[in-house]
Amino acid sequence: GNSVTQMEGPVTLSEEAFLTINCTYTATGYPSLFWYVQYPGEGLQLLLKATKADDKGSNKGFEATYRKETTSFHLEKGSVQVSDSAVYFCALSEGAQKLVFGQGTRLTINP
Amino acid sequence: DAGVIQSPRHEVTEMGQEVTLRCKPISGHDYLFWYRQTMMRGLELLIYFNNNVPIDDSGMPEDRFSAKMPNASFSTLKIQPSEPRDSAVYFCASNRGFPYADTQYFGPGTRLTVL
Repeated sequence: GNSVTQMEGPVTLSEEAFLTINCTYTATGYPSLFWYVQYPGEGLQLLLKATKADDKGSNKGFEATYRKETTSFHLEKGSVQVSDSAVYFCALSEGAQKLVFGQGTRLTINP
Repeated sequence: DAGVIQSPRHEVTEMGQEVTLRCKPISGHDYLFWYRQTMMRGLELLIYFNNNVPIDDSGMPEDRFSAKMPNASFSTLKIQPSEPRDSAVYFCASNRGFPYADTQYFGPGTRLTVL
């Protein structure tokens, strides 16, 4: 079946560091790909998405490119802030509605 | 607009008791999803509804779990009897259907502790 594998965490960085969180997927067909973010005590929020190969999703300084050849959707940010501390989930759409999530990566940014 | 609303935010109960979690989706959204989040298993889809009809309940762990959606603005997830291994955060999410189908909007979750 379809699956998503994320870089294991937790990840700890200093403020203004460069961030990469790796995400690879296995899927039949051509799913849409997503990054969701979960701040402490809250539900998941959509961060960005890409619906077809070579699309780049971007939001709040974060970017991810849908790479069909490597089945990847890595999340990047050039300069992280303390407020980016959260858990990040990579996901793919399976069929019309279902989302399959990765296990999540906890990110902590130190001042 | 109000987001997805869940109640209660926290629930502590004893093993064997019935637990009912509630969700109000975003107005106009046709799909509603129930998820469970644990450290061990991550985020799991339990069941989802389209226009108040259950479409896929393959993620419901066992007969102790049941979900209903009596109308477009309300859904419940019930656990009877509850067990300690049901302790988790339960999320409700909703979306609008095609062409927005794949962007889900999550509620704040209900943290359930079964003693």
